[in-house]
Amino acid sequence: AQSVTQLDSHVSVSEGTPVLLRCNYSSSYSPSLFWYVQHPNKGLQLLLKYTSAATLVKGINGFEAEFKKSETSFHLTKPSAHMSDAAEYFCVVSGLDSNYQLIWGAGTKLIIKP
Amino acid sequence: KAGVTQTPRYLIKTRGQQVTLSCSPISGHRSVSWYQQTPGQGLQFLFEYFSETQRNKGNFPGRFSGRQFSNSRSEMNVSTLELGDSALYLCASSFGTGGSDEQYFGPGTRLTVT
Repeated sequence: AQSVTQLDSHVSVSEGTPVLLRCNYSSSYSPSLFWYVQHPNKGLQLLLKYTSAATLVKGINGFEAEFKKSETSFHLTKPSAHMSDAAEYFCVVSGLDSNYQLIWGAGTKLIIKP
Repeated sequence: KAGVTQTPRYLIKTRGQQVTLSCSPISGHRSVSWYQQTPGQGLQFLFEYFSETQRNKGNFPGRFSGRQFSNSRSEMNVSTLELGDSALYLCASSFGTGGSDEQYFGPGTRLTVT
């Protein structure tokens, strides 16, 4: 069965420093992977998605993620954090063994210190 | 293009009552998914409808049901409400099934059960 684990419930970084949000997945088949973001009191929005094309995926607002099959990881990174990045981030996996149902991680709350 | 709309935005109900929530997807989208979001459980998948057929269902009791109409609009119903049903209910639409297509989320319906 497919599953996804976000390794940190909270991540705190200083403004201007790099961001790393970690995500591991399990899947019997080639999965589709997504990162969604939810800003306080705003709706969920797609940041980026991987669907078996390039392993390094660029998203909105300077975020990117790298699909590493050998490590079953899809970590989200950004070189320099901005105050507006403070939000909750969800890693999501989908594929044949979930009948293409989206399987959501528990979320990582990103805190940006001034 | 108008986004996903959900009505009502806020609802207060009493234990034992039933409630119906409505979701209008983005024009042209055929898939509608429903989620329950709570602070303790995170984002939980309820069900997905595609072209009026339920494609996937999450692990929720039979009190939770849904349907989709020919114009892709969807409703979900919760009968015999319990205090634990208090949550933000999110609707998402996509052109194809949610597994590989980007999902667009509505603002949610905040349900409070007293």
